[in-house]
Amino acid sequence: QVQLQESGPGLAKPSETLSLTCSVSGASMSSSYWSWIRQPAGKGLEWIGRIYSSGNTNYNPSLKSRVTMSVDTSKNHFSLKVSSVTAADTAVYYCARGPSYSGGWFDDWGQGTLVTVSS
Amino acid sequence: QSVLTQPPSVSGAPGQRVTISCTGSNSNIGAGFDVHWYQQLPGTAPKLLIYVNNNRPSGVPDRFSGSKSGTSASLAITGLQAEDEAEYYCQSYDSSLSGWVFGGGTKLTVL
Repeated sequence: QVQLQESGPGLAKPSETLSLTCSVSGASMSSSYWSWIRQPAGKGLEWIGRIYSSGNTNYNPSLKSRVTMSVDTSKNHFSLKVSSVTAADTAVYYCARGPSYSGGWFDDWGQGTLVTVSS
Repeated sequence: QSVLTQPPSVSGAPGQRVTISCTGSNSNIGAGFDVHWYQQLPGTAPKLLIYVNNNRPSGVPDRFSGSKSGTSASLAITGLQAEDEAEYYCQSYDSSLSGWVFGGGTKLTVL
């Protein structure tokens, strides 16, 4: 069973960069896709982006200009950076495994971490 | 506003059957992309419930089933139990948006 755990600061200041890491255990990161998804309080889910173990990325077009994802398979983790954050970026951020193809799904999820954007 | 449309809420009594609809368009469900469903219990992360329209991961009771037709999909829950009270989300891929999309979520209340 794959386990994912998000970590990072719970508070970010407006206009600064939000940074999170997802640690993966119970499986190799090789030959898999890994995603970030967020959920504002009381609202639905929004896919942020996906990274392959080789480092290839796909980003949500609505966030693409502000998002950067990276992966370190030797340390079994992948990361998310969102720049120029505003209050609208306040959300619970989840990391997940998948999707492995366009019609695919998100297999396993981390427990989520709340990031609040506030001065 | 979500790309996939779900009813905000549904309810049913224990033992009853409920369905949750997920309506898309010709750039997602209608284009042939598969639909998947997640269950989110209060205060927890979403959990995969149904994948590829009507398949259940190991450990998911057969009370849960999915279907897809045209530009829509549905999740059915039979023999409703108190523990089924949760938020349910559908998910697919949208070719116009070039990304994975979710429904707005449906809160299931067990009366």
